[in-house]
Amino acid sequence: QKEVEQNSGPLSVPEGAIASLNCTYSDRGSQSFFWYRQYSGKSPELIMFIYSNGDKEDGRFTAQLNKASQYVSLLIRDSQPSDSATYLCAVNRSGANSKLTFGKGITLSVRP
Amino acid sequence: DVKVTQSSRYLVKRTGEKVFLECVQDMDHENMFWYRQDPGLGLRLIYFSYDVKMKEKGDIPEGYSVSREKKERFSLILESASTNQTSMYLCASRQGALGYTFGSGTRLTVV
Repeated sequence: QKEVEQNSGPLSVPEGAIASLNCTYSDRGSQSFFWYRQYSGKSPELIMFIYSNGDKEDGRFTAQLNKASQYVSLLIRDSQPSDSATYLCAVNRSGANSKLTFGKGITLSVRP
Repeated sequence: DVKVTQSSRYLVKRTGEKVFLECVQDMDHENMFWYRQDPGLGLRLIYFSYDVKMKEKGDIPEGYSVSREKKERFSLILESASTNQTSMYLCASRQGALGYTFGSGTRLTVV
């Protein structure tokens, strides 16, 4: 099993819809979780992080963490064409000190 | 805002050349990282450093070395560039439990 796994995508949603991006991880001791957005040709930028089980909301973005099931998700409400990008899930595994382990990312396309 | 600056946005080098990629951060972060990113392979960790003069191998260190003589600067060295090192190189820094801050990346082409 891959350490951090994301659906291969791409994911296409109409403008105004909710986009749901999912990520699973294998290390049960993982402690912190991050979502990065990467536009084509640009570097990743941090958009959300979550440490505790449950939901964390920031504007149109909600991160959801379920440690028992070992998944973390990102919901984007009222999706906009400007949300079209690749989204990377990253996990701080137990004992990994400062290193993050990244999923391969999923490309989201929001259709006008 | 933390700034991570990579010295070159685009580089073209010849096979066999020694290549230096520089990365500087301005927020006194302890941890710095070098990744390469290739289509279909995602981000792969080359080397990282958690303190001055300290370095640790990542997942794909072969053909690379690093130098961290000052806290703010982390250099990636390609000892003898090869065409399979053509890639996007991303530097990142991190303090504590916060997420990474990435530089803008260097797209290296080896011909």
